[in-house]
Amino acid sequence: DGGITQSPKYLFRKEGQNVTLSCEQNLNHDAMYWYRQDPGQGLRLIYYSQIVNDFQKGDIAEGYSVSREKKESFPLTVTSAQKNPTAFYLCASSISGGAGTDTQYFGPGTRLTVL
Amino acid sequence: QKEVEQDPGPLSVPEGAIVSLNCTYSNSAFQYFMWYRQYSRKGPELLMYTYSSGNKEDGRFTAQVDKSSKYISLFIRDSQPSDSATYLCAMSVRNNNDMRFGAGTRLTVKP
Repeated sequence: DGGITQSPKYLFRKEGQNVTLSCEQNLNHDAMYWYRQDPGQGLRLIYYSQIVNDFQKGDIAEGYSVSREKKESFPLTVTSAQKNPTAFYLCASSISGGAGTDTQYFGPGTRLTVL
Repeated sequence: QKEVEQDPGPLSVPEGAIVSLNCTYSNSAFQYFMWYRQYSRKGPELLMYTYSSGNKEDGRFTAQVDKSSKYISLFIRDSQPSDSATYLCAMSVRNNNDMRFGAGTRLTVKP
Protein backbone atom coordinates (compact mmCIF):
# COMPACT_ATOMS: atom_id res chain seq x y z
CA ASP A 1 0.00 0.00 0.00
CA GLY A 2 1.80 3.11 -1.24
CA GLY A 3 1.43 6.52 0.31
CA ILE A 4 2.48 9.01 2.92
CA THR A 5 2.05 8.45 6.62
CA GLN A 6 2.23 11.06 9.34
CA SER A 7 2.32 10.45 13.04
CA PRO A 8 0.97 11.16 15.48
CA LYS A 9 -2.47 12.27 14.31
CA TYR A 10 -2.90 14.54 17.35
CA LEU A 11 -0.11 15.99 19.45
CA PHE A 12 -0.23 18.12 22.55
CA ARG A 13 2.76 20.10 23.71
CA LYS A 14 3.50 22.28 26.65
CA GLU A 15 4.99 25.68 26.03
CA GLY A 16 8.78 25.58 25.91
CA GLN A 17 8.99 22.00 24.63
CA ASN A 18 10.32 20.83 21.30
CA VAL A 19 8.29 18.21 19.44
CA THR A 20 9.03 16.16 16.33
CA LEU A 21 6.43 15.25 13.73
CA SER A 22 7.04 12.18 11.65
CA CYS A 23 6.56 11.89 7.88
CA GLU A 24 7.31 8.73 5.91
CA GLN A 25 6.66 7.92 2.24
CA ASN A 26 7.05 4.72 0.28
CA LEU A 27 6.39 6.27 -3.13
CA ASN A 28 10.10 6.52 -3.98
CA HIS A 29 9.69 10.28 -4.40
CA ASP A 30 12.74 12.53 -4.36
CA ALA A 31 11.03 15.69 -3.10
CA MET A 32 9.27 16.19 0.23
CA TYR A 33 7.55 19.21 1.77
CA TRP A 34 6.15 20.45 5.06
CA TYR A 35 3.20 22.83 5.14
CA ARG A 36 1.27 24.51 7.89
CA GLN A 37 -2.49 25.07 7.61
CA ASP A 38 -4.32 27.61 9.78
CA PRO A 39 -8.04 28.47 9.69
CA GLY A 40 -8.79 31.12 7.07
CA GLN A 41 -5.33 30.85 5.53
CA GLY A 42 -3.89 28.85 2.71
CA LEU A 43 -1.21 26.24 3.18
CA ARG A 44 2.16 27.83 3.84
CA LEU A 45 5.45 26.14 3.05
CA ILE A 46 7.78 25.58 6.01
CA TYR A 47 10.62 23.54 4.51
CA TYR A 48 11.21 21.44 1.42
CA SER A 49 13.78 18.90 0.33
CA GLN A 50 14.50 18.01 -3.27
CA ILE A 51 16.98 15.25 -2.49
CA VAL A 52 18.45 13.32 0.41
CA ASN A 53 20.76 15.32 2.69
CA ASP A 54 19.55 18.62 1.26
CA PHE A 55 16.71 20.90 2.32
CA GLN A 56 15.68 24.52 1.90
CA LYS A 57 13.67 27.01 3.94
CA GLY A 58 10.19 27.86 2.78
CA ASP A 59 8.21 30.99 3.58
CA ILE A 60 7.79 30.42 7.32
CA ALA A 61 10.82 28.39 8.48
CA GLU A 62 11.52 30.35 11.68
CA GLY A 63 11.10 28.16 14.76
CA TYR A 64 11.20 24.91 12.76
CA SER A 65 13.94 22.46 11.79
CA VAL A 66 14.08 19.41 9.53
CA SER A 67 16.42 16.62 8.47
CA ARG A 68 16.51 14.39 5.39
CA GLU A 69 18.86 11.53 6.15
CA LYS A 70 16.78 8.96 4.27
CA LYS A 71 14.82 9.30 1.04
CA GLU A 72 11.61 8.05 2.65
CA SER A 73 11.70 10.17 5.81
CA PHE A 74 11.41 13.93 6.44
CA PRO A 75 10.77 14.68 10.13
CA LEU A 76 9.83 18.19 11.26
CA THR A 77 10.81 19.56 14.68
CA VAL A 78 8.73 22.38 16.10
CA THR A 79 11.01 24.17 18.50
CA SER A 80 10.19 26.34 21.49
CA ALA A 81 11.21 29.33 19.36
CA GLN A 82 8.08 28.96 17.24
CA LYS A 83 5.78 31.61 18.68
CA ASN A 84 2.44 30.23 17.54
CA PRO A 85 2.82 26.51 16.83
CA THR A 86 -0.81 25.41 17.21
CA ALA A 87 -1.85 24.36 13.68
CA PHE A 88 -2.51 21.48 11.31
CA TYR A 89 0.76 20.25 9.77
CA LEU A 90 0.80 18.55 6.39
CA CYS A 91 3.62 16.62 4.79
CA ALA A 92 3.72 16.06 1.03
CA SER A 93 5.94 14.44 -1.54
CA SER A 94 6.40 14.58 -5.32
CA ILE A 95 8.47 12.66 -7.83
CA SER A 96 10.94 15.51 -8.19
CA GLY A 97 11.28 19.10 -7.10
CA GLY A 98 12.49 20.41 -10.41
CA ALA A 99 10.91 22.68 -12.98
CA GLY A 100 7.19 22.35 -13.51
CA THR A 101 4.73 21.06 -10.98
CA ASP A 102 4.45 17.32 -10.72
CA THR A 103 1.67 16.11 -8.45
CA GLN A 104 2.13 16.55 -4.73
CA TYR A 105 0.71 13.75 -2.60
CA PHE A 106 -0.27 14.78 0.89
CA GLY A 107 -0.29 12.84 4.11
CA PRO A 108 -3.26 12.83 6.52
CA GLY A 109 -1.76 15.57 8.70
CA THR A 110 -0.85 16.08 12.36
CA ARG A 111 -2.84 18.47 14.52
CA LEU A 112 -0.53 20.11 17.04
CA THR A 113 -1.96 21.91 20.05
CA VAL A 114 0.17 23.87 22.49
CA LEU A 115 -1.27 23.89 25.99
CA GLN B 1 -3.30 42.14 -0.36
CA LYS B 2 -2.90 38.38 -0.44
CA GLU B 3 -1.33 36.87 -3.53
CA VAL B 4 -4.27 34.45 -3.86
CA GLU B 5 -7.79 35.33 -2.76
CA GLN B 6 -10.50 32.73 -2.31
CA ASP B 7 -13.94 33.19 -0.76
CA PRO B 8 -14.06 30.83 2.25
CA GLY B 9 -17.82 30.34 2.00
CA PRO B 10 -19.40 28.26 3.34
CA LEU B 11 -21.30 27.35 0.21
CA SER B 12 -24.34 25.09 0.43
CA VAL B 13 -26.12 23.68 -2.64
CA PRO B 14 -28.72 20.98 -3.32
CA GLU B 15 -27.68 17.71 -4.89
CA GLY B 16 -27.49 17.96 -8.68
CA ALA B 17 -26.64 21.68 -8.73
CA ILE B 18 -23.78 23.18 -10.70
CA VAL B 19 -21.15 24.57 -8.37
CA SER B 20 -18.80 27.39 -9.26
CA LEU B 21 -15.67 27.98 -7.17
CA ASN B 22 -13.29 30.84 -7.88
CA CYS B 23 -9.95 32.37 -7.02
CA THR B 24 -8.31 35.61 -7.99
CA TYR B 25 -4.60 36.33 -7.86
CA SER B 26 -2.23 39.26 -8.14
CA ASN B 27 1.00 37.73 -9.47
CA SER B 28 0.91 37.72 -13.27
CA ALA B 29 3.91 35.33 -13.32
CA PHE B 30 1.82 32.38 -12.09
CA GLN B 31 1.60 29.78 -14.84
CA TYR B 32 0.65 26.53 -13.09
CA PHE B 33 -2.84 26.33 -11.61
CA MET B 34 -4.29 23.58 -9.47
CA TRP B 35 -7.43 22.69 -7.55
CA TYR B 36 -7.25 20.43 -4.50
CA ARG B 37 -10.08 18.80 -2.57
CA GLN B 38 -9.69 18.36 1.18
CA TYR B 39 -12.08 16.32 3.28
CA SER B 40 -12.38 17.19 6.94
CA ARG B 41 -9.25 16.36 8.95
CA LYS B 42 -7.52 14.86 5.89
CA GLY B 43 -4.75 15.93 3.57
CA PRO B 44 -5.59 17.65 0.25
CA GLU B 45 -5.75 15.61 -2.96
CA LEU B 46 -5.15 17.01 -6.42
CA LEU B 47 -8.31 17.35 -8.54
CA MET B 48 -7.30 19.42 -11.55
CA TYR B 49 -4.08 20.80 -12.98
CA THR B 50 -3.81 23.40 -15.74
CA TYR B 51 -0.80 24.98 -17.33
CA SER B 52 -1.25 28.58 -18.52
CA SER B 53 -4.67 29.66 -19.82
CA GLY B 54 -7.62 27.67 -21.06
CA ASN B 55 -10.09 25.04 -19.96
CA LYS B 56 -9.66 21.49 -18.81
CA GLU B 57 -12.40 18.96 -18.26
CA ASP B 58 -12.33 15.73 -16.26
CA GLY B 59 -15.65 14.01 -15.75
CA ARG B 60 -17.94 16.31 -13.78
CA PHE B 61 -15.14 18.80 -13.13
CA THR B 62 -14.04 21.69 -15.36
CA ALA B 63 -11.17 24.04 -14.57
CA GLN B 64 -10.86 27.42 -16.28
CA VAL B 65 -7.95 29.84 -16.22
CA ASP B 66 -8.24 33.43 -17.43
CA LYS B 67 -4.78 34.94 -17.11
CA SER B 68 -5.85 38.30 -18.52
CA SER B 69 -8.27 38.71 -15.60
CA LYS B 70 -6.09 36.80 -13.10
CA TYR B 71 -9.06 34.59 -12.33
CA ILE B 72 -9.47 30.82 -12.11
CA SER B 73 -12.59 28.75 -11.68
CA LEU B 74 -13.63 25.20 -10.89
CA PHE B 75 -17.06 24.00 -11.99
CA ILE B 76 -18.68 20.88 -10.60
CA ARG B 77 -21.64 19.52 -12.57
CA ASP B 78 -24.32 17.27 -11.09
CA SER B 79 -22.92 17.81 -7.60
CA GLN B 80 -23.12 14.92 -5.15
CA PRO B 81 -23.10 14.78 -1.34
CA SER B 82 -19.68 13.10 -1.65
CA ASP B 83 -18.39 16.38 -3.16
CA SER B 84 -18.85 18.03 0.24
CA ALA B 85 -15.35 19.16 1.17
CA THR B 86 -13.07 22.18 1.21
CA TYR B 87 -11.69 23.14 -2.20
CA LEU B 88 -8.30 24.82 -2.35
CA CYS B 89 -6.90 26.64 -5.34
CA ALA B 90 -3.13 26.73 -5.76
CA MET B 91 -0.77 28.27 -8.25
CA SER B 92 2.94 28.59 -8.86
CA VAL B 93 5.45 30.36 -11.05
CA ARG B 94 8.08 27.68 -11.52
CA ASN B 95 7.51 24.58 -9.44
CA ASN B 96 6.11 23.08 -6.24
CA ASN B 97 8.57 25.07 -4.14
CA ASP B 98 6.91 28.42 -4.84
CA MET B 99 3.30 27.33 -4.74
CA ARG B 100 0.70 29.67 -3.25
CA PHE B 101 -2.60 28.36 -1.88
CA GLY B 102 -5.96 30.00 -1.43
CA ALA B 103 -7.62 29.75 1.98
CA GLY B 104 -10.16 27.21 0.67
CA THR B 105 -13.93 27.26 0.09
CA ARG B 106 -16.02 24.92 2.19
CA LEU B 107 -18.75 23.27 0.11
CA THR B 108 -21.74 21.27 1.36
CA VAL B 109 -23.96 19.40 -1.09
CA LYS B 110 -27.27 18.51 0.52
CA PRO B 111 -29.18 15.37 -0.54
